[in-house]
Amino acid sequence: DAGVIQSPRHEVTEMGQEVTLRCKPISGHDYLFWYRQTMMRGLELLIYFNNNVPIDDSGMPEDRFSAKMPNASFSTLKIQPSEPRDSAVYFCASRDRWGNTEAFFGQGTRLTVV
Amino acid sequence: AQSVTQLGSHVSVSEGALVLLRCNYSSSVPPYLFWYVQYPNQGLQLLLKYTSAATLVKGINGFEAEFKKSETSFHLTKPSAHMSDAAEYFCAVSGDTGRRALTFGSGTRLQVQP
Repeated sequence: DAGVIQSPRHEVTEMGQEVTLRCKPISGHDYLFWYRQTMMRGLELLIYFNNNVPIDDSGMPEDRFSAKMPNASFSTLKIQPSEPRDSAVYFCASRDRWGNTEAFFGQGTRLTVV
Repeated sequence: AQSVTQLGSHVSVSEGALVLLRCNYSSSVPPYLFWYVQYPNQGLQLLLKYTSAATLVKGINGFEAEFKKSETSFHLTKPSAHMSDAAEYFCAVSGDTGRRALTFGSGTRLQVQP
């Protein structure tokens, strides 16, 4: 397996524009997570899915953020409209159903909103 | 609720010296504990994990960690630091039931001086 694949790796956009981040989890994994990493707040869990169903979205900062998982092999995180304070590295991770296994992370998307 | 606390946001050691990165956890259920490493501009990579088998866990690159329930600790050690160990290290916790998302500590940046 190629691991968790995220695209794009880098995104620069203007304030007010819509941004869509994409993630392909490892095949067979039941859980998918979206994290955000900033210097100020570290690694924050935004939302996670189990079998394509959102389980906990309490970390989504505002209504401007939305996430979907239409099938087991694809998820998106959308920010509309984007703001400069959304600039961060966004990571997608996936994990199988067993509690004693680790989460596997993608390479991340570095988002810069100017 | 689960949480981890990493003591020391920056640790500096000399090449060849002992590395000790501290992690204390809080969990209302038997925890699974993880150490991840992050190199610049990369995703998180698993170093090692504790899953209620052996309390002394060996990982990649010569790292190991010991689970101490009485101290609620899971400190990461390496007998002899190498320049290539310079990175950011994250401790994480999850439970064996219920919430499957990993909760991360704030990270410790390790510097290795020649």
